[in-house]
Amino acid sequence: QTVVTQEPSFSVSPGGTVTLTCGLSSGSVSTTNYPSWYQQTPGQPPRTLIYSTKTRSSGVPDRFSGSILGNKAALTIAGAQADDESDYHCVLYMGGGIWVFGGGTKLTVL
Amino acid sequence: EVQLVESGGGLVQPGGSLRLSCAASGFTFGTYWMSWVRQAPGKGLEWLANIKQDGSEKNCVDSVKDRFTISRDNTKSSLYLQMNSLRAEDTAIYYCARASTVTTRNLESWGQGTLVTVSS
Repeated sequence: QTVVTQEPSFSVSPGGTVTLTCGLSSGSVSTTNYPSWYQQTPGQPPRTLIYSTKTRSSGVPDRFSGSILGNKAALTIAGAQADDESDYHCVLYMGGGIWVFGGGTKLTVL
Repeated sequence: EVQLVESGGGLVQPGGSLRLSCAASGFTFGTYWMSWVRQAPGKGLEWLANIKQDGSEKNCVDSVKDRFTISRDNTKSSLYLQMNSLRAEDTAIYYCARASTVTTRNLESWGQGTLVTVSS
């Protein structure tokens, strides 16, 4: 069974840039996996940041961008702010109508 | 404004059943793929199931497909998740989610979730 991989944790300095990744335990991520990214703070539902690799959801600042980097999907946050400190989840389409989430990345801004 | 409101969660004994509902408003419900996603306490998100606009296609993760059933009633703008033979590991917040557009099946708009606790 293919597993979607994310860094368990990451840290970034205020004002800095960070790139989180979303990979597959077997194989490469491509646009046909339609990667999406979500931000979640404790006690809140997920907030959609990016879908279909690089499309920003309504109201999401352009500091957040999505791409394919090498064999993984990537979420880049530029000019990190204190309120970017959250959990970030990615999900990939595996075909056959099935989606699989990664384990999530806890981002610390310090 | 898109609104998704889940209900039906609560405390249930192991082996019991629950039916979750998701009431949709602010959009034409019958034109979007819909999904259920859950999150166990302190854990990541887990996609569970989705259903096509007219209900003709349903997909479900293997781990629950023998126990959970997704359905919809477009006349009531509602999505459902029938959960049977519940186990302690099904304890989670259950979210419904709507796709971005009428031609996609991803997850973009989310409800606030409903908590299901399976315990004796």
